[in-house]
Order: sequence, then C-alpha cells, then structure tokens
Amino acid sequence: QVQLVQSGAEVKKPGASVKVSCKASGYTFTSYGISWVRQAPGQGLEWMGWISAYNGNTNYAQKLQGRVTMTTDTSTSTAYMELRSLRSDDTAVYYCARAKATVTTIWFDPWGQGTLVTVSS
Amino acid sequence: EIVLTQSPGTLSLSPGERATLSCRASQSVSSSYLAWYQQKPGQAPRLLIYGASSRATGIPDRFSGSGSGTDFTLTISRLEPEDFAVYYCQQYGSSPPEFTFGPGTKVDIK
Repeated sequence: QVQLVQSGAEVKKPGASVKVSCKASGYTFTSYGISWVRQAPGQGLEWMGWISAYNGNTNYAQKLQGRVTMTTDTSTSTAYMELRSLRSDDTAVYYCARAKATVTTIWFDPWGQGTLVTVSS
Repeated sequence: EIVLTQSPGTLSLSPGERATLSCRASQSVSSSYLAWYQQKPGQAPRLLIYGASSRATGIPDRFSGSGSGTDFTLTISRLEPEDFAVYYCQQYGSSPPEFTFGPGTKVDIK
C-alpha cells in the first residue's frame, strides 16, 4: 500500500536548522510530487511548499521563501524538508503528503504520520 | 491571494443527523482545484473529496461535495460516530501559485 514514513521528533534551539525526511513506498516515486504542510499546536493546516519528484522543481509558500528548502533522493524514494533560522513560532507538527497537481486536479493523499518539531531555548 | 472561509466554526450534531459544511473563497476558484480533508485528533489529515465533488478512494458515499465559483459544500448525509472530526477545505490558486487551507470546521457530538 502507498505509505509515507517520516523521521522522528526534533527539539531545536532558536536560530538552528531542522531537516525532516519522508520515505515513500508502494508507488512510483517520480510520478507524483511531495507537499509539506505544518500544523502549530491547536491550529489549522499551513501549506509550506511542493516539490516535483520527477524533476525537482519546487514551489514554496511566500511566507517561507528563503528559509525553506525541499529536496528529493529518487534512489531511496525519500523527500526532505529543511527549515532554517528556526523561531518559536515554527513549533509545529510537520507533515509530508503525496501530491498530485496537474491542470485538471489537485490533491494530497496519503499523508505521513507527522513529525513534531519543537523550537525552544 | 485567495482566502478560504469555513462556516460554521463548530457544528454540534447527533449521530444519524445530516451535516452541511461551507467553504467560501474570496475570489472564484476552479472546481478542479478544490479538495476536502478530514482530521481526527492526533492523526494526519485524510483526503475525502477532490475536484469539488469526486470522492477519494475508500471514502463512504455518505460524504459528498458540491459547489462552484466561490461557494463549496461538504455534506455528510448521516453522521456515523467516526465522522466527528475537523474538516478542512483546500484550494490551489495560480497567482501566487500556492495551496491554501480554510481554518476548518469542527463537527462534534451534541
């Protein structure tokens, strides 16, 4: 079955960086994109960006431009999201999701289990 | 930038009742680019509806989506105990090219 498995929880100090991984299985990795979405405690969903696993093209949320980098390793079917210059308001659960984005449709399915990133001094 | 508004914020209903959730966009959205997700506490979101009205694989037919332009609706025909959750709508806009989520509607047990 299609599955995305994310790396474990992280605790970081303000100003540091974090890199979260998302390993895909059960489908042809390069046929879809990977999108990253975060959710602060008790809050809603915030889209962070998208990467094509086919050609590595990226599209980041304007709010995070310059602080976030998304990459993929097609040899291991793994996607990565790195967030730099961490602040306390970056504390959130970070999700990856298989993403379909074409001229006729968009959807995110399935989602990884989530990775809690805590930013605290 | 397109902003999505969901109403009501909380919907208190009993099992067996019908739930009608609204998602309104600040400007017209292509129906192809409107999706709905369900999220239960401590779990990742799950895709319910894409293309405004197409059910995702494995989603029961008590879930249906409709709408166009700026007004979209998710309907749960008869609430089952497992349907009490938070529901988010999502859209893709091209200017700027970003995905956005609505703030969510919580469906809880009355």
